[in-house]
Amino acid sequence: EVQMVESGGTLVQPGGSLRLSCAASGFTFSNYWMSWVRQAPGKGLAWVANINHDGSEKYYVDSVEGRFTISRDNVKNSLYLQMNSLSAEDTAEYYCARAGGVGTVDYWGQGTLVTVSS
Amino acid sequence: DVVMTQSPLSLPVTLGQPASISCRSSQGLVHSDGNTYLNWFQQRPGQSPRRLIYQVSNRDSGVPDRFSGSGSGTDFTLKISRVEAEDVGVYYCMQGIHWPWTFGQGTNVEIK
Repeated sequence: EVQMVESGGTLVQPGGSLRLSCAASGFTFSNYWMSWVRQAPGKGLAWVANINHDGSEKYYVDSVEGRFTISRDNVKNSLYLQMNSLSAEDTAEYYCARAGGVGTVDYWGQGTLVTVSS
Repeated sequence: DVVMTQSPLSLPVTLGQPASISCRSSQGLVHSDGNTYLNWFQQRPGQSPRRLIYQVSNRDSGVPDRFSGSGSGTDFTLKISRVEAEDVGVYYCMQGIHWPWTFGQGTNVEIK
């Protein structure tokens, strides 16, 4: 069974940093692109970043470029999101998702909540 | 960024009746490989999103056949032939051809 479990979400002060993790299982992790998608409270879905199979290609939405870093460890079957210079606008549920083909994601984790507040 | 515009944003439906959600993209979604990367996701209350449809009209495994997707170019539609109680939630279209991938605003389907 394909499963992704996110962790690391918590309350953090503005300007702070946080690292999210996503533990994947039930599939050959190294074969898939992976994504981070976020959802602000009561709002819609918004793409954050994508990473290719071996981590050599990374894409970010403009609003996080230079502040967030997506990475992966194919030995540990894990995806990460390092978030720096956090602001209230980054408050959201962060989902890890598997890119199960071109132009799509097919499985999502349960999400981890990041709250940026003083 | 490609803007995905859904309508309506709120859709009250009677059980057993059909429902239709429109999604319009600000740019064409046809890839050079000939495929159109338009997806539909369902998010039930308190749950993570779930993919229903990919490449406009391909239904995911386990998705009831009352769900269908259609469209081309910049205009797409998700139809539910007979709404059931478990279909309550927010539905999002999403394009996966232009970076950043973008979602529609979401359509809230509720039972009248």
